[in-house]
Amino acid sequence: RKEVEQDPGPFNVPEGATVAFNCTYSNSASQSFFWYRQDCRKEPKLLMSVYSSGNEDGRFTAQLNRASQYISLLIRDSKLSDSATYLCEGYYGGSQGNLIFGKGTKLSVKP
Amino acid sequence: DAGVIQSPRHEVTEMGQEVTLRCKPISGHNSLFWYRQTMMRGLELLIYFNNNVPIDDSGMPEDRFSAKMPNASFSTLKIQPSEPRDSAVYFCASSFIGVIGYTFGSGTRLTVV
Repeated sequence: RKEVEQDPGPFNVPEGATVAFNCTYSNSASQSFFWYRQDCRKEPKLLMSVYSSGNEDGRFTAQLNRASQYISLLIRDSKLSDSATYLCEGYYGGSQGNLIFGKGTKLSVKP
Repeated sequence: DAGVIQSPRHEVTEMGQEVTLRCKPISGHNSLFWYRQTMMRGLELLIYFNNNVPIDDSGMPEDRFSAKMPNASFSTLKIQPSEPRDSAVYFCASSFIGVIGYTFGSGTRLTVV
């Protein structure tokens, strides 16, 4: 069974804080993962890919832990504009349809 | 590039009516995906096309749903007859074949009353 689970939150943090959330997956056959950002009443937008070696893009760091079967997203020095829902996606290889989205974690950054 | 274009943005219809959602993928992209998003079930893949050919429609909930892609620049998702439980946001996304990481359209918010 293929599942991708996320804590729905909300995570309420002050501006400037560091926040991290995880996404667990149940099927070890999963090959690659991605983080998307979705603003309220908007479409998901690809944020970053997740590699075994970790992936950093400015204030954002994504990591994959295959032994414990989770991926993480770390946001440093959070901004008000980071407030959104963050979706993780697991791809299981083969068909492009062979992927599962988590339901998202809501982040709210307060002044 | 204008991105993935969906229409209409909002649709309110009565139960039993036919609903047609439209999508124009990014020019040059040869994969197109239809997703449905609800609070309860999250984002679900309904069907996707490669080079205008349906590859996997296992996510289509039932026979009331159908999708077509008559050419590389246009796709439709049709629900006939519509039911209140079909109320959701329907997203279209496109990419190049083999690329995981899609560009989504703005979505169609469907309400069936």
